[in-house]
Amino acid sequence: SQQGEEDPQALSIQEGENATMNCSYKTSINNLQWYRQNSGRGLVHLILIRSNEREKHSGRLRVTLDTSKKSSSLLITASRAADTASYFCATGGANSKLTFGKGITLSVRP
Amino acid sequence: GAGVSQTPSNKVTEKGKYVELRCDPISGHTALYWYRQSLGQGPEFLIYFQGTGAADDSGLPNDRFFAVRPEGSVSTLKIQRTERGDSAVYLCASSSGVEERTAIDPLTYEQYFGPGTRLTVT
Repeated sequence: SQQGEEDPQALSIQEGENATMNCSYKTSINNLQWYRQNSGRGLVHLILIRSNEREKHSGRLRVTLDTSKKSSSLLITASRAADTASYFCATGGANSKLTFGKGITLSVRP
Repeated sequence: GAGVSQTPSNKVTEKGKYVELRCDPISGHTALYWYRQSLGQGPEFLIYFQGTGAADDSGLPNDRFFAVRPEGSVSTLKIQRTERGDSAVYLCASSSGVEERTAIDPLTYEQYFGPGTRLTVT
């Protein structure tokens, strides 16, 4: 079963614009992670935020976590054509397995 | 250093056949995970190893699926009597198992994924 629900399912923006993707989950978590996937293969880990953190930055990425609303957002600033990919949020439970959402397809038009 | 590698990258087999998928984790990583990803979906957990033992196999769909990690490094996912519904990308991931001292859950790991094996059952 998949716990995370990303929103929107697909996003198309112009290069240089910011992209905001949201994720909601259902049960309590220890951490939440965002991954990128190109061409249906090769998940790349982007960022991990723990349940006691509210915001985290990594380069052009900004992740927020609101455990009271059971939601997270991923912001990509100054998007580039190379950011075109599918993005997944995943929640980690106490036994460390990840539960993924269905993903968001991001298209960045040059 | 090298990342997680998986072989083969593609496997086409006939319904009813037996297949083995191999995963080489990052050297020194004690935890290894198998996931399955169907078209248009996110990866779904299959099984998790800590060292040589399966710590959680709750995601294996049925008894046709089995995985081993005999020496605590390389793992093999085995599928017997394959069915067309088994067609998917099978992903392997590994993590260091290093304790995160600031985490509420001290077993919080970051997982690094391999490129996957695309299995097609005809």
